[in-house]
Amino acid sequence: DARVTQTPRHKVTEMGQEVTMRCQPILGHNTVFWYRQTMMQGLELLAYFRNRAPLDDSGMPKDRFSAEMPDATLATLKIQPSEPRDSAVYFCASGPEAGNEQFFGPGTRLTVL
Amino acid sequence: GENVEQHPSTLSVQEGDSAVIKCTYSDSASNYFPWYKQELGKGPQLIIDIRSNVGEKKDQRIAVTLNKTAKHFSLHITETQPEDSAVYFCAASMVGGFKTIFGAGTRLFVKA
Repeated sequence: DARVTQTPRHKVTEMGQEVTMRCQPILGHNTVFWYRQTMMQGLELLAYFRNRAPLDDSGMPKDRFSAEMPDATLATLKIQPSEPRDSAVYFCASGPEAGNEQFFGPGTRLTVL
Repeated sequence: GENVEQHPSTLSVQEGDSAVIKCTYSDSASNYFPWYKQELGKGPQLIIDIRSNVGEKKDQRIAVTLNKTAKHFSLHITETQPEDSAVYFCAASMVGGFKTIFGAGTRLFVKA
């Protein structure tokens, strides 16, 4: 049963610390998305990759967030330095092709104190 | 910019009744409309989708209808069960595009 995996599932950190979230997309999927979910803003698209190339990260605060795909089996989302307003659930999703169904991971719940 | 509005934000029904969630979208170029179900502590999961070349699609107890002229689409759940309780998100995007715009979500409660 292929699924997207994310680590860690939970992260509590202090303001100013670096946070790295990891995602393993479903094997064979060539699109990867990072979303942030909060009660106030719902699901926000942060970044999108196609064939490992970043195509759009306009939803991401560039000064502190960065997203990469070092290889086809790993996507990372990094926050440095973290701030309390970054507290949210971060989801990774992958898909077989752009514009079609996305398969979401279980999310990383981030709390920045 | 693109926007997807979803109503209602909360819906409570009795087990066995039907539930309807409605969405409108702003980008007339959108042609792919998925619905996701999110259970507590989990990521959203695709439950049904529809493309603009059809007006209705059904899968057992769930169905989706699309009115492209009015830019409306709806999710219908019949014979609701307690396990249908979750948050449901509608979304709109373009096949071959990438940016999926999600609605704000509907929290469905099915009372036994």
